[in-house]
Amino acid sequence: AQSVTQLDSHVSVSEGTPVLLRCNYSSSYSPSLFWYVQHPNKGLQLLLKYTSAATLVKGINGFEAEFKKSETSFHLTKPSAHMSDAAEYFCVVISGGGADGLTFGKGTHLIIQP
Amino acid sequence: NAGVTQTPKFRVLKTGQSMTLLCAQDMNHEYMYWYRQDPGMGLRLIHYSVGEGTTAKGEVPDGYNVSRLKKQNFLLGLESAAPSQTSVYFCASSYWSVASSYEQYFGPGTRLTVT
Repeated sequence: AQSVTQLDSHVSVSEGTPVLLRCNYSSSYSPSLFWYVQHPNKGLQLLLKYTSAATLVKGINGFEAEFKKSETSFHLTKPSAHMSDAAEYFCVVISGGGADGLTFGKGTHLIIQP
Repeated sequence: NAGVTQTPKFRVLKTGQSMTLLCAQDMNHEYMYWYRQDPGMGLRLIHYSVGEGTTAKGEVPDGYNVSRLKKQNFLLGLESAAPSQTSVYFCASSYWSVASSYEQYFGPGTRLTVT
């Protein structure tokens, strides 16, 4: 069975400073991993995905994540936070057959201080 | 190309009432899903379908039923609503390819309140 742990429920950074959102996963198989973002009262948007190609994955809006198998981690980073990055971020794993849905982390609420 | 759409966007029910949420996708995706989102819980899978005419239970299926009579539609039913089913419901669809690896496309959500 697969699982995802987002290590921080809330992260607060100042505008213009780096963002780090931490995610650890557990999977019996070689996983595919995703980061989704949800702005207030909105649906979910895919930020980036890892599907066993390059371990450093670049996504939209300047975000990137690095798959580290030895640490079972898939942390999300951005060099410089923008006010529009304030949102809920979900780390997600899919493994095994894949068609039977995603396993979501509980989410990290990113707060951007002016 | 509308992607994934959900009907209705908002609904208030009284305990014991029934309703059906409709999800439609125009991307010819094989797989469809229903999730619920509760504060601090992320999204949890209710039911899913791997093809027309097939459905399966997810993590939290109790109190819900689903049907996939047409490939493009996936219906979620609540036969007797309970306050514990107050939530935001998201539908998603996906397909498999080496590049996509079951990446899911989400609808805008339905906010349901049961009083």
